[in-house]
Amino acid sequence: EIVLTQFPGTLSLSPGERATLSCRASQSVLSNSLAWYQHKPGQAPRLLVYGASIRATDISDRFSGSGSGTDFTLTISRLEPEDFAVYYCQQFGSSPRTFGQGTKVEFK
Amino acid sequence: QLQLQESGPGLVKPSETLSLTCTVSGGSINNFYWSWIRQPAGKGLEWIGRIYTSGTTNYNPSLKSRVTMSVDTSKNQFSLKLNSVTAADTAVYYCAKERVYYYDSWYFDLWGRGTLVAVSS
Repeated sequence: EIVLTQFPGTLSLSPGERATLSCRASQSVLSNSLAWYQHKPGQAPRLLVYGASIRATDISDRFSGSGSGTDFTLTISRLEPEDFAVYYCQQFGSSPRTFGQGTKVEFK
Repeated sequence: QLQLQESGPGLVKPSETLSLTCTVSGGSINNFYWSWIRQPAGKGLEWIGRIYTSGTTNYNPSLKSRVTMSVDTSKNQFSLKLNSVTAADTAVYYCAKERVYYYDSWYFDLWGRGTLVAVSS
């Protein structure tokens, strides 16, 4: 199965700053079948990006995904208070679908 | 607006069967794939398996021998059974809806809030 490694594990930033989250796959992700999710405690995880770079419905353009092959990035251009959460990448091009361990974006 | 809600016992004894149901509200369950995903405390997310509304299933090979999924379209519900549980099965269990990206690549476009199931005597 494809192992996804996310880094850094924790990102300490202030509102207004730019966040860059990385996700590296142990082998190439077919057809850029990679998604990013945001998860806050007690809430349902929320889809942000799929197909590596396609923003999901109603997702702010502050969120952008990029990358291909084995290296992918989620960028949050200017952090808003509601953006502090855990972010997961997930590949869905190969079975079984697998997730990264997550990056926590916390207040500095 | 479609919503998902997990339900079931919060405590299961070792060696017994964990049973959870996901209720879909705000729309029809038909013609979609529906998945179960879990997250043990302090660990990552693990896809358990999925079911189509026709009853077709796909399971994670790591859990396949212990998992059974079913769907009841008349109730807009789908269910998970995991047998012979141990403490390692203690986790928050999520249900999720799938959406096709292309051909046979499906991502999770809607999740429930999750339900904590503890395995303990």
